[in-house]
Amino acid sequence: EVQLVESGGGLIQPGGSLRLSCAASGFTVSSNYMSWVRQAPGKGLEWVSVIYSGGSTYYADSVKGRFTISRDNSKNTLYLQMNSLRAEDTAVYYCARANKAVAYAFDIWGQGTMVTVSS
Amino acid sequence: SYVLTQPPSVSVAPGQTARITCGGNNIGSKSVHWYQQKPGQAPVLVVYDDSDRPSGIPERFSGSNSGNTATLTISRVEAGDEADYYCQVWDSSSDHYVFGTGTKVTVL
Repeated sequence: EVQLVESGGGLIQPGGSLRLSCAASGFTVSSNYMSWVRQAPGKGLEWVSVIYSGGSTYYADSVKGRFTISRDNSKNTLYLQMNSLRAEDTAVYYCARANKAVAYAFDIWGQGTMVTVSS
Repeated sequence: SYVLTQPPSVSVAPGQTARITCGGNNIGSKSVHWYQQKPGQAPVLVVYDDSDRPSGIPERFSGSNSGNTATLTISRVEAGDEADYYCQVWDSSSDHYVFGTGTKVTVL
């Protein structure tokens, strides 16, 4: 079965760091474009970052310089390292696959992991 | 940065047609995708590349895109279609993915 399972969320103080993981099954992370998308409580979807199959990475302006996307090919897992966290980073974080077969739309999503930044 | 604007809400009676717009500068030149999100759930892709449907999505969901507006149309609306809907594009000038502001569809 093709699926994504996120983990690593939790309560963290402002200025702290957290690493999210997204374990994939049924397909190869390194062969796909993989993204993180977040949703603050009661708000809309916000794209956070992407890592392309070739390894290039891009970030939303709101997280650039603080967040790092990466992958471990041996574990077929995507990561999001989040540093210097702020209250406005509080959100459910989803990992998603942008599939070439559907014009690079996000066709597979994880269930999400909640990150709460608060003192 | 590229901006996609959607109406905050759309209300429709069962059996009628709901149309959700997504406005963006020359959006007709981009590939638009649409997602449905129900409370407490992850988004689900319902239309990709302006007007194509993933397998398993009912034919009642259709899309179009021209000029400065893309539209998601839900025909013969059912109670189960009540959800938030988001449009999305890839902005080649910034290599960023962009989501619309979202539209809450209420079935009366």
